[in-house]
Amino acid sequence: KQEVTQIPAALSVPEGENLVLNCSFTDSAIYNLQWFRQDPGKGLTSLLLIQSSQREQTSGRLNASLDKSSGRSTLYIAASQPGDSATYLCAVSMTTDSWGKLQFGSGTQVVVTP
Amino acid sequence: DAGVTQSPTHLIKTRGQQVTLRCSPKSGHDTVSWYQQALGQGPQFIFQYYEEEERQRGNFPDRFSGHQFPNYSSELNVNALLLGDSALYLCASSRGTEDEQFFGPGTRLTVL
Repeated sequence: KQEVTQIPAALSVPEGENLVLNCSFTDSAIYNLQWFRQDPGKGLTSLLLIQSSQREQTSGRLNASLDKSSGRSTLYIAASQPGDSATYLCAVSMTTDSWGKLQFGSGTQVVVTP
Repeated sequence: DAGVTQSPTHLIKTRGQQVTLRCSPKSGHDTVSWYQQALGQGPQFIFQYYEEEERQRGNFPDRFSGHQFPNYSSELNVNALLLGDSALYLCASSRGTEDEQFFGPGTRLTVL
């Protein structure tokens, strides 16, 4: 059974510092991995999608890496800003699930202080 | 281009009642998935609809049912509400079943 873990559960950094968010999964038979951002009480905003054949994806200040063999993905956010404060969730879909069911971690709550 | 929309935004019900939540997918998307998110937790998969059929189901009781219409919009129905059904219900859409999923703003359900 796939388990997705995000540690730490909460993180506080001063503005300008780089953010490093971790996601680990127990079963490496993933189809893809997606990173999301969630503001309090709101829906999820897709940040990056990494296919299982890829090692990383980049979008602006965001970079996500994927190491299937070790069951890890890392989301890097460069030069953090107070507007980056949110909860960040990772989710995987499995090759054994032909219908794209996402399995989520519990998220890392990030606070960027001015 | 409208993204995924959900209605209503908030709902308050009492135990034992029934509720219907609605979702319209992003333009060009034909697959709708529903998730339940309890406070402080990641979303949990309820089920997914494609071509008007339930294709996959998570670990949720039969009290949770759904429907997909020919225009790809979808409904989630929950019968015999329990206090534990209080959560944020999220709808996600995609093209087919293997593409990137886009989420709506959610419906906050409170059961008293």
